[in-house]
Amino acid sequence: GEDVEQSLFLSVREGDSSVINCTYTDSSSTYLYWYKQEPGAGLQLLTYIFSNMDMKQDQRLTVLLNKKDKHLSLRIADTQTGDSAIYFCAYNQGGKLIFGQGTELSVKP
Amino acid sequence: EPEVTQTPSHQVTQMGQEVILRCVPISNHLYFYWYRQILGQKVEFLVSFYNNEISEKSEIFDDQFSVERPDGSNFTLKIRSTKLEDSAMYFCASSENRELSEQYFGPGTRLTVT
Repeated sequence: GEDVEQSLFLSVREGDSSVINCTYTDSSSTYLYWYKQEPGAGLQLLTYIFSNMDMKQDQRLTVLLNKKDKHLSLRIADTQTGDSAIYFCAYNQGGKLIFGQGTELSVKP
Repeated sequence: EPEVTQTPSHQVTQMGQEVILRCVPISNHLYFYWYRQILGQKVEFLVSFYNNEISEKSEIFDDQFSVERPDGSNFTLKIRSTKLEDSAMYFCASSENRELSEQYFGPGTRLTVT
């Protein structure tokens, strides 16, 4: 079946690193994504990783993929208050995106 | 930077009424999607559309729903007879191709059915 699991909440202090984790069930997915949703706003594509990679770095963002364990993580270095949002993990299944329930990141000054 | 736009941002309607949600995808994109997010729940796929026809639809997308690309720029979602449980945020997305490129989302339309 198709399922993506994420923890619901994460709270960090400004300047710390945040790590948001995700597990998924579909091993055939080719792309995995991280989207960010700020309050009242749409889904902003943050970054993505191709399934034959195990790491991708993009400025403060690092995506790690463990395909064997079907585990994806997003690390945000030097987390800022502007990073407070809900972060969704998703994978592409034949064109449609399957989303996790989102992790609400709260950054305290 | 090109973006997906949606109108209206908020729509309030009475149960049983028809609503049309509108989207303008990114101009060179060929694949179009609708998703919905009921408050506090996951974002769920509704339908994908390519070459003027539905490519795939979920079990949520029943006979009450339809999609159309009435001209070269708009992509619409119609709900024929709204129910209370249709209240949700509806997101339109578009992509250059099906699997090998990212999907860009619009800001969403919040539909409230009373």
